[in-house]
Amino acid sequence: NAGVMQNPRHLVRRRGQEARLRCSPMKGHSHVYWYRQLPEEGLKFMVYLQKENIIDESGMPKERFSAEFPKEGPSILRIQQVVRGDSAAYFCASSPGTNQPQHFGDGTRLSIL
Amino acid sequence: QKEVEQDPGPLSVPEGAIVSLNCTYSNSAFQYFMWYRQYSRKGPELLMYTYSSGNKEDGRFTAQVDKSSKYISLFIRDSQPSDSATYLCAMSVNTGFQKLVFGTGTRLLVSP
Repeated sequence: NAGVMQNPRHLVRRRGQEARLRCSPMKGHSHVYWYRQLPEEGLKFMVYLQKENIIDESGMPKERFSAEFPKEGPSILRIQQVVRGDSAAYFCASSPGTNQPQHFGDGTRLSIL
Repeated sequence: QKEVEQDPGPLSVPEGAIVSLNCTYSNSAFQYFMWYRQYSRKGPELLMYTYSSGNKEDGRFTAQVDKSSKYISLFIRDSQPSDSATYLCAMSVNTGFQKLVFGTGTRLLVSP
């Protein structure tokens, strides 16, 4: 029974490039959440998605960041024109519904050169 | 002021000790309360969750919520070196387990 799968585990990009982070939820989970963890800070909510719908993106930066959860395939967090400040660990979580707690993947550590 | 405050530690205890981890919060709308454990370079692992006030016990772990004081606790009995990790509290409002608000985490070190 696989957990939440995130890939890649580590991603290095140069300033100005694009970063794509992928998340496959646990089997039977149709709700996906993305969080960002900066050094010495707690996890910060970014976005909540269900299949083909963005439910809450109140934590997403207004520019350069986007997320999707298509009908088929993993959820994608996309960061365009990355800057040094985007360096962080990005975690994905999933749940079967809003009345069930979230389970997390092991994250993608993004480093910007 | 942060919505959720958590002492970063580190908290160092000998093996077998009872550990008390705590969080305070300012948003009275929080109704769901969770504790996650995070090992280095890994994702948060759900330990326990509770709704509203009260206690919940699971093996060596006990979670307590005091909504009147806006204070939650996690107790670990008979602590083991394998319990050494960062413990995160998380909360959400009464619409469910959606937008979680996390504390910064307390680093726990259990020495043999």
